[in-house]
Amino acid sequence: DAKTTQPPSMDCAEGRAANLPCNHSTISGNEYVYWYRQIHSQGPQYIIHGLKNNETNEMASLIITEDRKSSTLILPHATLRDTAVYYCIAPAGGTSYGKLTFGQGTILTVHP
Amino acid sequence: DVKVTQSSRYLVKRTGEKVFLECVQDMDHENMFWYRQDPGLGLRLIYFSYDVKMKEKGDIPEGYSVSREKKERFSLILESASTNQTSMYLCASSLLSGTRNQYFGPGTRLTVT
Repeated sequence: DAKTTQPPSMDCAEGRAANLPCNHSTISGNEYVYWYRQIHSQGPQYIIHGLKNNETNEMASLIITEDRKSSTLILPHATLRDTAVYYCIAPAGGTSYGKLTFGQGTILTVHP
Repeated sequence: DVKVTQSSRYLVKRTGEKVFLECVQDMDHENMFWYRQDPGLGLRLIYFSYDVKMKEKGDIPEGYSVSREKKERFSLILESASTNQTSMYLCASSLLSGTRNQYFGPGTRLTVT
């Protein structure tokens, strides 16, 4: 898996966009970037993934730089329920069973 | 929406007991996983299954076994529980082999005393 680096914590005001950065400078050409989050005392929740194009779904947008060395997860209108630990991962391609390995992630706190 | 359910949210067992953790998914997913999550150690894969009656060891299978008799159900068994197996246990499922789009259950917090 490519090493990923995320800030340990971030704050965001409710209703504003939350922009969570991730550095993955050692990512290789076939490694996707995945984002998960984990709300306190719950299981992780898949958010979004991408390879080189920007992606958007009902939960978030993912912006990947052209050189693929970093990405940003955007929650366009953060709510209190978005308070969670956010994990960025870039698992190695070719692993047959799709094991997930999370780092420390970013603790996002959304304030009223 | 995919739903993954686990039999218990909280469980307290004594050392030496046999412990069964059940996981059920309702989306006909091929792959199912058991992880444990511990502070400072992150998520670690115990076992996974890519088909009924098929199982593969993950990174930390010692002290655990699994059973998958039906596609929707994946059980984790602690043959003889020990205090170092106190942890949060998470079940996940995914549709495609190799995908990282995994859907997790709520977790079982197991305490072995």
